[in-house]
Amino acid sequence: GNSVTQMEGPVTLSEEAFLTINCTYTATGYPSLFWYVQYPGEGLQLLLKATKADDKGSNKGFEATYRKETTSFHLEKGSVQVSDSAVYFCALSPFPGFNKFYFGSGTKLNVKP
Amino acid sequence: DTAVSQTPKYLVTQMGNDKSIKCEQNLGHDTMYWYKQDSKKFLKIMFSYNNKELIINETVPNRFSPKSPDKAHLNLHINSLELGDSAVYFCASSHPGRNTEAFFGQGTRLTVV
Repeated sequence: GNSVTQMEGPVTLSEEAFLTINCTYTATGYPSLFWYVQYPGEGLQLLLKATKADDKGSNKGFEATYRKETTSFHLEKGSVQVSDSAVYFCALSPFPGFNKFYFGSGTKLNVKP
Repeated sequence: DTAVSQTPKYLVTQMGNDKSIKCEQNLGHDTMYWYKQDSKKFLKIMFSYNNKELIINETVPNRFSPKSPDKAHLNLHINSLELGDSAVYFCASSHPGRNTEAFFGQGTRLTVV
């Protein structure tokens, strides 16, 4: 089947610390992988994506690399800011046209000044 | 211009009432979704429509009835509301034929009292 597993939160970091949020997946095909961010009271926004093995998605200083051998798509950022405080979701789409996205349980990030 | 818009943003109602949430997307996408986010932030797909046709119904109680008058709109009607229906409901859309992400609305926070 298809599923996404994320590390449980909350994750609390000081400003400028290094961030890693782990994400592993199970998929029956060759999925596309996504990271979404949800700020308080808002909807989900796409942060980055990767559509094939070894692709690296990046945006706003965040990066994630599609690792097929370890079925992982870990999110990293070298230096977090207070404004990065949000809930982060890893997601997959098994293949184009599948009409369903699978989400992880979300990881809440708190960044302290 | 808002890509995926939902109304209302907040909905407080009594048990047993019937309510509707409306969703519209101006992205030209063929596929639309309803997701439910519980208090622990877990996202669960409820329905998926492709070009006005129901594709996925994830064992949602039949008190929930989606309706898609055209491919740009997907409304959600809920009969006989229960306390357990309290959640945030997100509408989303995507293009099914490409490795693209889902675009989400701002969410509707439903509180049943």
